[in-house]
Amino acid sequence: GDSVTQMEGPVTLSEEAFLTINCTYTATGYPSLFWYVQYPGEGLQLLLKATKADDKGSNKGFEATYRKETTSFHLEKGSVQVSDSAVYFCALGNIAGYSTLTFGKGTMLLVSP
Amino acid sequence: SAVISQKPSRDICQRGTSLTIQCQVDSQVTMMFWYRQQPGQSLTLIATANQGSEATYESGFVIDKFPISRPNLTFSTLTVSNMSPEDSSIYLCSVTGGQGIVGELFFGEGSRLTVL
Repeated sequence: GDSVTQMEGPVTLSEEAFLTINCTYTATGYPSLFWYVQYPGEGLQLLLKATKADDKGSNKGFEATYRKETTSFHLEKGSVQVSDSAVYFCALGNIAGYSTLTFGKGTMLLVSP
Repeated sequence: SAVISQKPSRDICQRGTSLTIQCQVDSQVTMMFWYRQQPGQSLTLIATANQGSEATYESGFVIDKFPISRPNLTFSTLTVSNMSPEDSSIYLCSVTGGQGIVGELFFGEGSRLTVL
């Protein structure tokens, strides 16, 4: 079945550092890929998405490129802020006619001033 | 986008009791989903709830333990029955984004249950 593997956290960075959170997946067919973010005390929010190979999703300075050859969708940001501290979930959607997701375990990001 | 409200936001429950979580959406939606997020774990889909039909449960989840109601297109409830400490989790309601992209979901803030 489908699966998503994320790097384990927490990832601890200083403000303005470069961020990479690795995500790889196993899936049949042509899944859509997502990054969701969960800020402290809040529900999950869609951060960015990519629906086909070589697409780049971007939002709020975050980027991720759908790499079919390496089955990866790594999240990057050039300069993180304290307000980016949250848990980040990589996910894929792959069932025609449904909108269910397979999630990774989440990676906590802690950014210090 | 959709605005989703869940009640309760958190609760502490005794072993053997049952608790019903409510999910209200600000627009009509066909499909609603219930997820569970156990401590330190990923989100796991419990069931899909369509209005006017029985919910569809994922492997490992059964209706007797997690009965779901879907009386109309903006509301659903999930009951966690005969709770044990292993049921301590965040339960999340979600709906589709409506733009035809598989997997684009909006989530409620979640209901954090602690079972003693």
